[in-house]
Amino acid sequence: QSVLTQPPSASGTPGQTVTISCSGTSSNIGSNYVYWYQQVPGTAPKLLIDRDNQRPSGVPDRFSGSKSGTSASLAISGLRSEDEAHYHCASWDDSLRFGVFGGGTKVTVL
Amino acid sequence: EVQLVESGGGLVKPGGSLRLSCAASGFNFRTYSMIWVRQAPGKGLEWVTSISSTSSHINYGNALKGRTTISRDNAKKSLYLQMNSLRVEDTAVYYCGRVAMSGWHPDYWGRGTLVTVSA
Repeated sequence: QSVLTQPPSASGTPGQTVTISCSGTSSNIGSNYVYWYQQVPGTAPKLLIDRDNQRPSGVPDRFSGSKSGTSASLAISGLRSEDEAHYHCASWDDSLRFGVFGGGTKVTVL
Repeated sequence: EVQLVESGGGLVKPGGSLRLSCAASGFNFRTYSMIWVRQAPGKGLEWVTSISSTSSHINYGNALKGRTTISRDNAKKSLYLQMNSLRVEDTAVYYCGRVAMSGWHPDYWGRGTLVTVSA
């Protein structure tokens, strides 16, 4: 079982907004940054959101991250077919003393 | 362009050993910490181990703890993962990652190499 909890799947039609949640504890999300990765099957994961809500260069502003307490969210607005992928959240855990990940959420564009 | 290419995966019997390699290019390898992360079939990502730029600091996660050694050769721009006493549950895609300067997390990943542990 992953330390961070994500829903296994999410879906939406083109143009809609999809939001993915990531739940943790005070030792990880509650006291450290959250990162989000996009993974298209068969390709390398890609850093999508850095330090809770920062988009690395080249990431469209349709992707946004937020955090409150021990939970974080990734929102994909204006959903497009190329957004079909798995999305993973990650954070440092002060108790475990290493990085922890969520189980991943598969986003389907209907 | 940052490139990370893993190799060395394959089929190994339970109890066997395997050494993975990661060839880096497109950045100053000797100034970055590096990380190994794995993903079992149908599961999430899992921290394996990380190593600082000078190999002075190594951090192991719970996966493969006590059965794995990370190392690097800055002259060859390469990262390694020696895995011993492999178990069926170690079957996974193993990814090499460059650790971002701003934290512990990977900012670039390779495509991974599949390790299958089966009799």
